[in-house]
Amino acid sequence: EDKVVQSPLSLVVHEGDTVTLNCSYEVTNFRSLLWYKQEKKAPTFLFMLTSSGIEKKSGRLSSILDKKELSSILNITATQTGDSAIYLCAAGSQGNLIFGKGTKLSVKP
Amino acid sequence: SQTIHQWPATLVQPVGSPLSLECTVEGTSNPNLYWYRQAAGRGLQLLFYSVGIGQISSEVPQNLSASRPQDRQFILSSKKLLLSDSGFYLCAWDKGHSSGANVLTFGAGSRLTVL
Repeated sequence: EDKVVQSPLSLVVHEGDTVTLNCSYEVTNFRSLLWYKQEKKAPTFLFMLTSSGIEKKSGRLSSILDKKELSSILNITATQTGDSAIYLCAAGSQGNLIFGKGTKLSVKP
Repeated sequence: SQTIHQWPATLVQPVGSPLSLECTVEGTSNPNLYWYRQAAGRGLQLLFYSVGIGQISSEVPQNLSASRPQDRQFILSSKKLLLSDSGFYLCAWDKGHSSGANVLTFGAGSRLTVL
């Protein structure tokens, strides 16, 4: 059965800290790995990774895929209170996205 | 540009009552459409997806049904709600002919509470 596992499930840090969120997957016909940020309502897209070892970066956020280890990490440097959210990882197989349960990040001032 | 609309945003319904959640997409044609449910501690669960008008695939057998009467309209329904139907329902779309490497775009969600 296809599955995506995220860790930790929740995390509390202080502003300025650096965090690493983990995602591992077991998906048939893997095509892509996606990260989303969910604050109040709709998840918003962060990154899509299809090639192993190539880092994608957007401001203080970055992500990398390791196809050999079937995993991905999302890094956030110099965290801010606005980074508080649930971060969702999803693995794309043919025609479908399998989501993990998410990591709830809380950034304290 | 493409936009996705989902309504109502919140809904409180008694057990045994019917349900209808609606989702429409603008600015694209032949999208793939999805209904997900997000329950606390369980992540996003795919309920239904559709690759075209009248074509519905169900991922999880349950008390709900979906319909796609028009190309950019997707409806989630129930004839009789159960307490366990409470949750946050998200509609989403991606490009047609998806190969599993397309980005899903989500609507704002509908929070359903069944009492």
